[in-house]
Amino acid sequence: KAGVTQTPRYLIKTRGQQVTLSCSPISGHRSVSWYQQTPGQGLQFLFEYFSETQRNKGNFPGRFSGRQFSNSRSEMNVSTLELGDSALYLCASSLGGEPYFGPGTRLLVL
Amino acid sequence: QKEVEQNSGPLSVPEGAIASLNCTYSDRGSQSFFWYRQYSGKSPELIMFIYSNGDKEDGRFTAQLNKASQYVSLLIRDSQPSDSATYLCAVYFGNEKLTFGTGTRLTIIP
Repeated sequence: KAGVTQTPRYLIKTRGQQVTLSCSPISGHRSVSWYQQTPGQGLQFLFEYFSETQRNKGNFPGRFSGRQFSNSRSEMNVSTLELGDSALYLCASSLGGEPYFGPGTRLLVL
Repeated sequence: QKEVEQNSGPLSVPEGAIASLNCTYSDRGSQSFFWYRQYSGKSPELIMFIYSNGDKEDGRFTAQLNKASQYVSLLIRDSQPSDSATYLCAVYFGNEKLTFGTGTRLTIIP
């Protein structure tokens, strides 16, 4: 069974730009969560979607948003990028139990 | 604030010995506990999950859960150099938000 896929894998943007990251969950998984990982803050929860509805949201500013499509694929968007948004963005999918992570998108904001 | 705490290490263990990793959590009502292994530059990989008090074994790995003490641990038997990584403890708190500890860096010494 194919794992969680994320695109793109690497991204370089400049301050003020916006970015969209994509996540395709494991087939059959309807829950998709997003996390930000930085050396200083560790892994922090952004939001979780289930059946196209946001079920939970972490403590991030409104510049961070997401959505889920009917096929369970999910996207997250960051608008007005700041230097501090440089991080590894991870997506995880689950069937209601154990979350499995994708390879991540490494975002560098210059 | 729901929290998960781990000793950041580094923890150094000789090859062939048992590595013991510990994690405490703040919410007594937590039901689901996970251990992830993360190699440098890679995404977290799920290696163990445990939902009930007691021990759960899978190959060289044993997860131990004590809900009364709010404590979960991971034992790695016959440690190998390939086990050198950061180990992340994660806990589902009641609202389905997966919260991670800061991770313990484990080094296996040949």
